[in-house]
Amino acid sequence: DAKTTQPPSMDCAEGRAANLPCNHSTISGNEYVYWYRQIHSQGPQYIIHGLKNNETNEMASLIITEDRKSSTLILPHATLRDTAVYYCIVRATGFGNEKLTFGTGTRLTIIP
Amino acid sequence: NAGVTQTPKFQVLKTGQSMTLQCAQDMNHEYMSWYRQDPGMGLRLIHYSVGAGITDQGEVPNGYNVSRSTTEDFPLRLLSAAPSQTSVYFCASRTTSGLPSYEQYFGPGTRLTVT
Repeated sequence: DAKTTQPPSMDCAEGRAANLPCNHSTISGNEYVYWYRQIHSQGPQYIIHGLKNNETNEMASLIITEDRKSSTLILPHATLRDTAVYYCIVRATGFGNEKLTFGTGTRLTIIP
Repeated sequence: NAGVTQTPKFQVLKTGQSMTLQCAQDMNHEYMSWYRQDPGMGLRLIHYSVGAGITDQGEVPNGYNVSRSTTEDFPLRLLSAAPSQTSVYFCASRTTSGLPSYEQYFGPGTRLTVT
């Protein structure tokens, strides 16, 4: 699996957009980018995933660069409940590719 | 749907004791897995299963056993607890059918302390 690099921590003001970067310079053509978050000590929660096109859902947007070597997760209007550790994961799908490697993620703190 | 449920929420064991952490899901997911999370670290895969009767090892399987006799249940057994197994244990499930997806659903976790 391709390795990902994320900043260990970030702050964002409440109501502003939170932009979380992820570097995955060794990503392969069949590998997707997934984002999960873990609020306090709860189980991780899936946010979004993408292959090469930008994606948007009700939680966030995912912007993947054209060369696919990096991506940005955008929380458009951050709230205090978005304070969490955010994990960027790169993984090929399909049988035999079951391991999901979480790394240490980015601790995002939303400031009132 | 209850989603993924885990019991117990908290457990304290003495070194050498054995116990089973329970995990159940009601989403008819084929794939289930167990992770452990140590303080300040990411999740590490212990064991996983792609269907009833099929299990395989993850990256940290030593000291743990699993079995999958039904689609719904995936218990994790600690054979002889050691202090190094003090951790938070998460169970997860996902479907393996449909479009390529890796959306896993996680349980609330079991906090285990081994003294």
